Amino acid sequence: ETGVTQTPRHLVMGMTNKKSLKCEQHLGHNAMYWYKQSAKKPLELMFVYSLEERVENNSVPSRFSPECPNSSHLFLHLHTLQPEDSALYLCASSQDLTSGNTIYFGEGSWLTVV
Amino acid sequence: GQQVMQIPQYQHVQEGEDFTTYCNSSTTLSNIQWYKQRPGGHPVFLIQLVKSGEVKKQKRLTFQFGEAKKNSSLHITATQTTDVGTYFCAALSNDYKLSFGAGTTVTVRA
Repeated sequence: ETGVTQTPRHLVMGMTNKKSLKCEQHLGHNAMYWYKQSAKKPLELMFVYSLEERVENNSVPSRFSPECPNSSHLFLHLHTLQPEDSALYLCASSQDLTSGNTIYFGEGSWLTVV
Repeated sequence: GQQVMQIPQYQHVQEGEDFTTYCNSSTTLSNIQWYKQRPGGHPVFLIQLVKSGEVKKQKRLTFQFGEAKKNSSLHITATQTTDVGTYFCAALSNDYKLSFGAGTTVTVRA
């Protein structure tokens, strides 16, 4: 139990589908993140939210659309993805954005685009 | 953001042996964190180092931060099968972005 819950754990979607990944943190944290982990690549930071405001968008394609309705929930809306978008998508949270904060990861959502 | 390089990328270890994985940066780091990801799992925080030359131990794991705060190492003694996984170092940039190294994937021969 990490305190960060992601659903679904596994998702297979076609390139024309629209789906969403959901993340909920029960730690009372103010910052939330989406990371992408592909085979043989370092963890890639996609989006950062602090107090529900997006503070980072690391040149992520527009087919990925984040939403943070409150400090406990984070969504990643997926639309017209490509097969190369297949990866493990990790949600994470931290107390805030100051230096030294530990990142707590969820268990991840395995995404396969067919 | 900060770039951290990890070596080796893969480490195959005989059970009971020791090994070390390294994390290097071209710039001075404010701090460094280490995470472990078991196969099929998610990264889990292990430790954070802040001070120059700092050494911290967790049972068979010894973490060290270089004097110049540009490198760090993780040394595991008497490797066990439970040590299998990928070990990541991560460094905070001068704002808030945590940049992860590519990781060292450890396999253990029984």
